[in-house]
Amino acid sequence: DTGVSQDPRHKITKRGQNVTFRCDPISEHNRLYWYRQTLGQGPEFLTYFQNEAQLEKSRLLSDRFSAERPKGSFSTLEIQRTEQGDSAMYLCASRDINEKLFFGSGTQLSVL
Amino acid sequence: GESVGLHLPTLSVQEGDNSIINCAYSNSASDYFIWYKQESGKGPQFIIDIRSNMDKRQGQRVTVLLNKTVKHLSLQIAATQPGDSAVYFCAETKSYQKVTFGTGTKLQVIP
Repeated sequence: DTGVSQDPRHKITKRGQNVTFRCDPISEHNRLYWYRQTLGQGPEFLTYFQNEAQLEKSRLLSDRFSAERPKGSFSTLEIQRTEQGDSAMYLCASRDINEKLFFGSGTQLSVL
Repeated sequence: GESVGLHLPTLSVQEGDNSIINCAYSNSASDYFIWYKQESGKGPQFIIDIRSNMDKRQGQRVTVLLNKTVKHLSLQIAATQPGDSAVYFCAETKSYQKVTFGTGTKLQVIP
């Protein structure tokens, strides 16, 4: 499978715990995006990388959220001290040279 | 524009009929537009795209129309099938900028 891969698919955690998600983009894509989606809404932009550089962060991304892409390949999104409001689907996408955005299947986070 | 609201508009269509899903975008500087299909529990799936120098583009059973004057985008699905049932999102962007999603529309195909 050469698509965007996300791990885990589902994560259940208790409030206050830290969680980390991983995204492996399509290998030849140098741009990688993180989005968050709640039920009934469209994906909301969180942050974006070009290679290892984080070029933009949404104001939605509080200081409890951090994303990295250390070698310009896979990326991680960490949420510290999770809150119930963090429960959502976290989507990763990579973008090709023609601007098409390809999404992974997402990580569904439930904070209890 | 930005996705707002908790209730998705729903379009119910008889199997075999044509479907038209509409979207208003917000940024007049956007030059690339995409339609995505999202099934329950899955990530958005690319359907068709169009650049701002075009007003119509056709794919297999799908057509996207772009009206830049009124910032309107539509997706037409010919001969709608049960497998087309999903939530459809339009998205807008400018090169090397973030992709912004609109409010989704739920398409229900009645067999």
